[in-house]
Amino acid sequence: GGIITQTPKFLIGQEGQKLTLKCQQNFNHDTMYWYRQDSGKGLRLIYYSITENDLQKGDLSEGYDASREKKSSFSLTVTSAQKNEMAVFLCASRSTGGADTQYFGPGTRLLVL
Amino acid sequence: QQQVRQSPQSLTVWEGETAILNCSYEDSTFNYFPWYQQFPGEGPALLISIRSVSDKKEDGRFTIFFNKREKKLSLHITDSQPGDSATYFCAASAPNSAGNKLTFGIGTRVLVRP
Repeated sequence: GGIITQTPKFLIGQEGQKLTLKCQQNFNHDTMYWYRQDSGKGLRLIYYSITENDLQKGDLSEGYDASREKKSSFSLTVTSAQKNEMAVFLCASRSTGGADTQYFGPGTRLLVL
Repeated sequence: QQQVRQSPQSLTVWEGETAILNCSYEDSTFNYFPWYQQFPGEGPALLISIRSVSDKKEDGRFTIFFNKREKKLSLHITDSQPGDSATYFCAASAPNSAGNKLTFGIGTRVLVRP
């Protein structure tokens, strides 16, 4: 088995601040994803990466940057935090060519004051 | 336009009853439908999944019924237990989609009362 670790668990930021969220997986999976979860809106894809140094935009990429410098890690940057923003950011990974299962981390909870 | 719709948004059942969660989709190319279970403070975890070649998938107390013609599916939780209280997400993906992206519904929050 493997595990996905997300840091930090909680993040409080200020309006306009650049904030970085980190994700690590030890499944040795090729594909990694970042989702945003808002109450009543389900999970929406921000960025995904099918291999090291690859980046693909999802439906919600505006306002975010991502980085996949190693196979095991995938970072997400909120380029300018919006006042009163509150959401959970979920990282997931999936093995290419195998089962379609995406495995999720526990999430980073963001609050912008 | 929401590609994957779920209903109801919330559902309360008594312990031992059957909870029925509904899901429908728009894109006829979708062929893989996983259901994820999420407890508060945790990430979603795969509960059960079905491919469009099947009309039923069972795993213990959890069963998916799939109607391809109507583009609808449902998750039945029989003999519901308080530990089943969670949010359930229906998701879908199309074959050969870039990155095997999943499209998620908004979720159904289930509360099982003892």
